[in-house]
Amino acid sequence: GAVVSQHPSWVICKSGTSVKIECRSLDFQATTMFWYRQFPKQSLMLMATSNEGSKATYEQGVEKDKFLINHASLTLSTLTVTSAHPEDSSFYICSARERRRGDIQYFGAGTRLSVL
Amino acid sequence: DAKTTQPPSMDCAEGRAANLPCNHSTISGNEYVYWYRQIHSQGPQYIIHGLKNNETNEMASLIITEDRKSSTLILPHATLRDTAVYYCMEDSGYALNFGKGTSLLVTP
Repeated sequence: GAVVSQHPSWVICKSGTSVKIECRSLDFQATTMFWYRQFPKQSLMLMATSNEGSKATYEQGVEKDKFLINHASLTLSTLTVTSAHPEDSSFYICSARERRRGDIQYFGAGTRLSVL
Repeated sequence: DAKTTQPPSMDCAEGRAANLPCNHSTISGNEYVYWYRQIHSQGPQYIIHGLKNNETNEMASLIITEDRKSSTLILPHATLRDTAVYYCMEDSGYALNFGKGTSLLVTP
């Protein structure tokens, strides 16, 4: 199946710093990418939809100024967690739809963020 | 909130078939049923999807009832590596909406 690459897989940062997570579609172009967050023992929660060349659409309750999303090309979307706090520690997962092959939504391996 | 309902957990003996049910009684006519699984600390993995016909691929089979209100994912010969949380979702073409899924434990 199509591959979505996410980097880094694991990051530790100090409170107050910013962290950038990259999501790439390796063998297809993705006009739309999605960012999810998952807390321990919970399911994935959609944070935002990232649209190439335009502003992201955020789900209710997700702070757009804290979680900056940039979808600069058809194969790359980035999520920046600004001024991170310990409560932002979570598992962040990106995904993208591969329209040509059954419109399947493929997921990255996830990024585990720990804020100290 | 997710529109599908699944049992929270199931057990299956290694080598036996695992049958995971899902109710999606409010599914609309053009929505597909998608199944994914998530192994601990990894991103979700696509398994299979279907509209109204039964489907089979190298990973699993999907049986959808004629009224499309429920479906069953079948792993024909479960292995220990199939231990994961399995999610059944309706897809309207937007982002997938994850419910709580079924935690499948495959035992030796």
